Order: sequence, then C-alpha cells, then structure tokens
Amino acid sequence: GAVVSQHPSRVICKSGTSVKIECRSLDFQATTMFWYRQFPKQSLMLMATSNEGSKATYEQGVEKDKFLINHASLTLSTLTVTSAHPEDSSFYICSAHQTLNNEQFFGPGTRLTVL
Amino acid sequence: QKEVEQDPGPLSVPEGAIVSLNCTYSNSAFQYFMWYRQYSRKGPELLMYTYSSGNKEDGRFTAQVDKSSKYISLFIRDSQPSDSATYLCAMSASGGATNKLIFGTGTLLAVQP
Repeated sequence: GAVVSQHPSRVICKSGTSVKIECRSLDFQATTMFWYRQFPKQSLMLMATSNEGSKATYEQGVEKDKFLINHASLTLSTLTVTSAHPEDSSFYICSAHQTLNNEQFFGPGTRLTVL
Repeated sequence: QKEVEQDPGPLSVPEGAIVSLNCTYSNSAFQYFMWYRQYSRKGPELLMYTYSSGNKEDGRFTAQVDKSSKYISLFIRDSQPSDSATYLCAMSASGGATNKLIFGTGTLLAVQP
C-alpha cells in the first residue's frame, strides 16, 4: 500500500513557541491532504483540507491563523502550530488522498506536548 | 448528539472468539462506510470500505451496513492477539476519499491469548 510519513513523530516544546509538522506521501502524489487532531480517548477530528497550490479549507472552530497549512508540492504538506499552548497538546495525524485507489492513507501521527 | 456514536470499550475477548463492533449514526446522508484499525501511537489503516447497505467480507472480517437503522457493524472471526487495537468507524456523505470523513471515537479491543 501507499506510504505516508510524518516528521517529527514526537515533539515537546515550550508554551509560546511554534512547531512545524511535515506530512509526506512517499510513493505517490497527493493533490489533497488532510490534517486531523486526536485527543486521548476521542475521535479523529478533521482540522483542515489541504490542496496543493491553493489555500487550505479549515473546519469550523479551527483557527487558520494558529494552524498554518502549506501544501507546496504534490508530496508535502506542512502544519505549523503557532504560539503553541498546553491545550494544543494532542496527536496530529495527516492523510493523503491517492487518486489511483481513491483512498486516504494515514501517516503515523505526531505527538505534540506543549509545556 | 454526535453524528457518529461508538462504544469506546474496552472490549476484552479470548483468542478465537467472534468480535462484534458497532457504530450508529444520525446523518441519513452518509453513503460510504469504513472501518479503520489503529494500533497504539500509530495512524489508522483502512480495513473495510462499503457503499450503502449490505455486507462485505474480506478474510476474517465482515462489514455490515443497515442504513434503515443507521447502524454499521464489523465482525472479526477467529480473533487473534494481533487484532488487539482500536477500531474506528468512519463515514462520509459523498464518495471518494477526498470527501470529509466523520469518525467514531473508536473501540479498544483486547484479544487475550
């Protein structure tokens, strides 16, 4: 199956700093990528849909100025959590849409802990 | 009311048992139904994908959709310890993986050897 990677897998940062998370589709091109957030014992919640070459579409309640998304190429999307606070601590997961199989493939996730 | 409801468990069964996992939903527009398996600290992986009502079987896994009751199920036969994971149901109103998926909270399954 198609492979999606995320980097870093785990990050711990101080409150007020910014953190960038990368999502890469390793063996296919993805026009569309998605960013999810998963709090403990809760469901994956879609944060935004990232389209290559255009602005991301954010879900209701997600601050676009706080969660900056860039999808500059067909294999890379980045999520930057700006001025992170402890309440932003969560598991961030990306997925990439593969046109061939019409399927979303998920990355392994990034555990963000804000102190 | 959440759009998708799923019992979080945990569900503990002995090896070899038949496992039944379920989700209910409220949005009658949902047409596409998926089951994902998520191991601890990993991203979800797609297990089953079904459209509209009916059954679909793949090896030890069977997915059922009853749109009239807004109820979907995943059955695992001859469960193995390696099946221990969180199982997430997901659904969408439109076809294609570019469409928004709504996930259940996931059911934590533990298969005891």
